[in-house]
Amino acid sequence: QAGLTQPPSVSRDLRQTATLTCTGNSDNVGNQGAAWLQQHQGHPPKLLSYRTNKRPSGVSERVSASRSGNTASLTITGLQPEDEADYYCSAWDSSLSAWVFGGGTKLTVL
Amino acid sequence: EGQLVESGGGLVQPGGSLRLSCTASGLTVKTYYMQWVRQVPGKGLVWVSHINGPGSTTRYADSVKGRFTISRDNAKNTLFLQMNSLEVEDTGVYYCVREVDDFDVWGQGTMVTVSS
Repeated sequence: QAGLTQPPSVSRDLRQTATLTCTGNSDNVGNQGAAWLQQHQGHPPKLLSYRTNKRPSGVSERVSASRSGNTASLTITGLQPEDEADYYCSAWDSSLSAWVFGGGTKLTVL
Repeated sequence: EGQLVESGGGLVQPGGSLRLSCTASGLTVKTYYMQWVRQVPGKGLVWVSHINGPGSTTRYADSVKGRFTISRDNAKNTLFLQMNSLEVEDTGVYYCVREVDDFDVWGQGTMVTVSS
């Protein structure tokens, strides 16, 4: 099953802003929106955003998500050392009747 | 705080079978879709399967169709994944996930290793 496309890595300086992207098509991101997950090494993923731009309770206000066409974006402002992690996007694909994931982006905070 | 706890992983030879379980405690799951997601350590996430609250609707990734069966026992707050005809490519950590707000609660995972 075709997945979503994410850049393998992004590096930003401490206290700067990082924007991660996730590109799909009209059957998934463009139609259903995307969810974003954060995973620190050795731990299960944690939900950061769902249904394009909804933030679960307990997630930092520094995190926001959006979508433009078939591309979803996750923005983290005021980067902190604890933001260094792997980030995955996912969307329901109405053509495949399956969830699809991106390959993940490793965010490094310099 | 509620949690999901997976069990049943282990080492199995190609062609063998395993049954994974996921038990919810302190968490409402019986009215929600539940899913299994696999991850090879150091690699990305791969969706495996999900099932609706009553257990009447199931869907699978193409790579496991015909070999894996997802089911649930709502009286016991437990989700299952029966894995048959296992292949080396099925190796990974299997996470149980509650499908509320897309993926709101994850278990710690159980490791499945398919190797001769």
